[in-house]
Amino acid sequence: SQQGEEDPQALSIQEGENATMNCSYKTSINNLQWYRQNSGRGLVHLILIRSNEREKHSGRLRVTLDTSKKSSSLLITASRAADTASYFCATDGQGGKLIFGQGTELSVKP
Amino acid sequence: GEEVAQTPKHLVRGEGQKAKLYCAPIKGHSYVFWYQQVLKNEFKFLISFQNENVFDETGMPKERFSAKCLPNSPCSLEIQATKLEDSAVYFCASSQFVGRVGYEQYFGPGTRLTVT
Repeated sequence: SQQGEEDPQALSIQEGENATMNCSYKTSINNLQWYRQNSGRGLVHLILIRSNEREKHSGRLRVTLDTSKKSSSLLITASRAADTASYFCATDGQGGKLIFGQGTELSVKP
Repeated sequence: GEEVAQTPKHLVRGEGQKAKLYCAPIKGHSYVFWYQQVLKNEFKFLISFQNENVFDETGMPKERFSAKCLPNSPCSLEIQATKLEDSAVYFCASSQFVGRVGYEQYFGPGTRLTVT
């Protein structure tokens, strides 16, 4: 079964606004990753945060991790139409396999 | 190569027919993973390889699914006697390492299998 849930399932915003997506998971983790999937394409790795880290930045992306609440959030600042995609969090399973959340579908309107 | 390559892009099979999907991992990556994505959301792990050895096959429906990674050949995922429920996009990913600290997996563009 999937590790966690993402919230919201769908998000629609205007260009320039910030987008926040949340991910919850069930078991303890060593690390958590966020991936983006453009329609009909493969996953693109965005950022990895380790269990001993609380916050990480990469360009317009900010990821937080709260291991006590078993949750993570992805913030995209100053969104662009090109950010329209589905965003998935993934936790580390045994042997390196990724266990995905159900994804948040983000639509950024120009 | 620098990208994970998957062929074919699309595959249509009648129920009961065989389907074979191929994946060429990034050169130098020792680990290959197969995932199944049904209905644009859930990704299900199927199997992983460390070089040509099966690393983890806990996600494989063993009755009809098989996979191989042979030296100097693309990895393959084969479904014997496909069923309607096998319709999905199958993604292959590769990584250089696996471990507790976590490593990025590089995904191919996927093969869309439609079983009619």
